[in-house]
Amino acid sequence: GAVVSQHPSWVICKSGTSVKIECRSLDFQATTMFWYRQFPKQSLMLMATSNEGSKATYEQGVEKDKFLINHASLTLSTLTVTSAHPEDSSFYICSASSAGGPADTQYFGPGTRLTVL
Amino acid sequence: GQNIDQPTEMTATEGAIVQINCTYQTSGFNGLFWYQQHAGEAPTFLSYNVLDGLEEKGRFSSFLSRSKGYSYLLLKELQMKDSASYLCAVRGYSTLTFGKGTMLLVSP
Repeated sequence: GAVVSQHPSWVICKSGTSVKIECRSLDFQATTMFWYRQFPKQSLMLMATSNEGSKATYEQGVEKDKFLINHASLTLSTLTVTSAHPEDSSFYICSASSAGGPADTQYFGPGTRLTVL
Repeated sequence: GQNIDQPTEMTATEGAIVQINCTYQTSGFNGLFWYQQHAGEAPTFLSYNVLDGLEEKGRFSSFLSRSKGYSYLLLKELQMKDSASYLCAVRGYSTLTFGKGTMLLVSP
């Protein structure tokens, strides 16, 4: 149980284009999903917290107009990187809280590696 | 704010026991998590502690002392596949903050 999927697993795009990443909880309903970014050899950095049906809460320093988050259902959240630039190249990971887990344990998707040329 | 400290790297040999320490200073405490992350992959959940003491799960055990702001992850009977980064994460009032991870290298 508690499986989270992400699509795509990797994407290469040109500078200036937009990229959408999907995060799905496959076998549970996730009222809260989280989006992280991880640069090589660095820790996970929380970008935003997404609650179903409401606006995402962004961490300090994360541009909400650049990283658009939509959480339209209890099993799907999307992150759109708008007008991507090479510095946005990173490993993007989503997680979802399972109400059945200990203290709303976060279960992670497999991640999406974004490379912006 | 949140501050989480863990060693950057550790090495151990197959079959041995290794302890990875984590110290934290946080505003609010609602539990400490340990995750395992292999290179290029997402983290996987290992353990959760919210009360003081030891939680054992197979070859992995995790200990918490809230008064000392300290936790450790104990790995027994190390296997080559245990080579990975181990992330300590603390839940404050709402969000989960991750440490930088400890890269464990298991050698034959």
